[in-house]
Amino acid sequence: NAGVTQTPKFQVLKTGQSMTLQCAQDMNHNSMYWYRQDPGMGLRLIYYSASEGTTDKGEVPNGYNVSRLNKREFSLRLESAAPSQTSVYFCASSERPGPNSPLHFGNGTRLTVT
Amino acid sequence: QKEVEQNSGPLSVPEGAIASLNCTYSDRGSQSFFWYRQYSGKSPELIMFIYSNGDKEDGRFTAQLNKASQYVSLLIRDSQPSDSATYLCAVKDAGGTSYGKLTFGQGTILTVHP
Repeated sequence: NAGVTQTPKFQVLKTGQSMTLQCAQDMNHNSMYWYRQDPGMGLRLIYYSASEGTTDKGEVPNGYNVSRLNKREFSLRLESAAPSQTSVYFCASSERPGPNSPLHFGNGTRLTVT
Repeated sequence: QKEVEQNSGPLSVPEGAIASLNCTYSDRGSQSFFWYRQYSGKSPELIMFIYSNGDKEDGRFTAQLNKASQYVSLLIRDSQPSDSATYLCAVKDAGGTSYGKLTFGQGTILTVHP
């Protein structure tokens, strides 16, 4: 049981380049999330998908787009990378969006934008 | 802007002592509260969660919740060097546009020294 799988693990981009971060979960969870983690800032929600077919903005959505491809997969796209997007990105899933459902995290993608 | 604040660290305790980690939150509508542990370079992992006022114990860990004071804490008894990590407090809403989203504090770094 792999849980939540993120690819790639590391990535270096030049300013203006685009890329897509992939995330897949095999726990049959309904809800999926993308967070970024910066030193001293904790984890901040970028986008989330409460269920297949729906997506919504989190705290810091600017510069990102997402796609909930199916129940298993939730991708995050940077259309034109900026140095401010240098961060560690975590995908997470939960069984359902309600309050009694904890998050399960992937191993993270370490992105550097030069 | 909903806020989750944790006591500033780093916190250093001797092996065998009780470590106390504190967290306050701004939204009275918050329904559930989570503690995650994150080792350096790793993804967050759930330690425990609490929904009701009072204490909840799980092994060496005790979560305490006081909704009137908007305060949640985590006590680690008989601290071990392996408990050295960053501890993240997270708060989840149950309704409205924030349904199901988790808001994290900035984390407290705990060091347990032999």
